[in-house]
Amino acid sequence: NAGVMQNPRHLVRRRGQEARLRCSPMKGHSHVYWYRQLPEEGLKFMVYLQKENIIDESGMPKERFSAEFPKEGPSILRIQQVVRGDSAAYFCASGWGSRSGANVLTFGAGSRLTVL
Amino acid sequence: KQEVTQIPAALSVPEGENLVLNCSFTDSAIYNLQWFRQDPGKGLTSLLLIQSSQREQTSGRLNASLDKSSGRSTLYIAASQPGDSATYLCAVLRGGGADGLTFGKGTHLIIQP
Repeated sequence: NAGVMQNPRHLVRRRGQEARLRCSPMKGHSHVYWYRQLPEEGLKFMVYLQKENIIDESGMPKERFSAEFPKEGPSILRIQQVVRGDSAAYFCASGWGSRSGANVLTFGAGSRLTVL
Repeated sequence: KQEVTQIPAALSVPEGENLVLNCSFTDSAIYNLQWFRQDPGKGLTSLLLIQSSQREQTSGRLNASLDKSSGRSTLYIAASQPGDSATYLCAVLRGGGADGLTFGKGTHLIIQP
């Protein structure tokens, strides 16, 4: 079991480009969470998804950000028209049930986005 | 709005010492509290999870306590080792059906050999 796989580990984009971050949950996990860690800040919840459903997107910026978790394939966090303030580490976590604390989440190693 | 504060922000101690990391949260209506470890370039590792009805949890040299009414938790590390060097994060899960964890900024711990 390879754990939660995130790719790319490092991504560099110029302002205005698009960034796509992928997360493959642990085998058997059907719940995915995305968190963002800005420099010198704590991790901030962004979105919680189950297969083909967005359950809670209360932490997602209103514009330019979207997330999906299709029936087949990894979960994708998409950032359109990136700006320098999007530079951060984006972490994905997966679990097998709802209420992220009821079961211990497994976190990926993160994808570090740098916007030039 | 839930806010989680961790003190100190950084700590450096000699190997072998016992130490305490502190976490406080503003809204006591939590579902549970977790302590994580974050190593540079790696993901988070869950260390201990305390349900809101519990007072403490222990795992090896680690002991975490929870005082929900006062909004405080402590992580006690006994007989510290250089391998304990990492950033320790405290996170709470809000009650009321919320799904996202609220994290503190962490305590950066260095254990000197």
